[in-house]
Amino acid sequence: EAGVTQFPSHSVIEKGQTVTLRCDPISGHDNLYWYRRVMGKEIKFLLHFVKESKQDESGMPNNRFLAERTGGTYSTLKVQPAELEDSGVYFCASSQDKAGLTYGYTFGSGTRLTVV
Amino acid sequence: KQEVTQIPAALSVPEGENLVLNCSFTDSAIYNLQWFRQDPGKGLTSLLLIQSSQREQTSGRLNASLDKSSGRSTLYIAASQPGDSATYLCAVEGSYIPTFGRGTSLIVHP
Repeated sequence: EAGVTQFPSHSVIEKGQTVTLRCDPISGHDNLYWYRRVMGKEIKFLLHFVKESKQDESGMPNNRFLAERTGGTYSTLKVQPAELEDSGVYFCASSQDKAGLTYGYTFGSGTRLTVV
Repeated sequence: KQEVTQIPAALSVPEGENLVLNCSFTDSAIYNLQWFRQDPGKGLTSLLLIQSSQREQTSGRLNASLDKSSGRSTLYIAASQPGDSATYLCAVEGSYIPTFGRGTSLIVHP
């Protein structure tokens, strides 16, 4: 089966610009998660979708970040306007069951965002 | 709030050594613990998933143990190889959202 796909793999933008990251989960996985890793720090949860609904967005850093999941399929994470501190690697994960209890999580390869 | 600590932060060893990576967590009420590997510029690859009712899981040269009561997990790598060089992350799931440690950066040199 195809894994979790993220693109772009890399993005370099200037401060103030807008960037949209995309994640395609494994087909049939209702649960989709966004994570971010800032250089030198641990991976932090951003938000969780169940199908098209936001189950938990407590990790979203501020209102410059907007996540959507159209029709419960792929998801996008938009950063507008981007700031320097937004630089990092953005990971997407999906799971077959809500809590990943049985099967765990499958992660994408991440999008490395650099804001200059 | 769950906190996950991984020790050591970095490790450099010669090829062939047996290694132990440690992961500790503060809240023992977890559903499972998952070990991941991250190669430079790449995503996270799941290595082992241990359910809360289990005490260990094995895959090839890897063995992971879980002691919920003490809040600890160890990842044992037997006969390390240069290809094992990567960052190893543990993630603990208590409230359906995994909490990650900062990882152990491993370098195995020939």
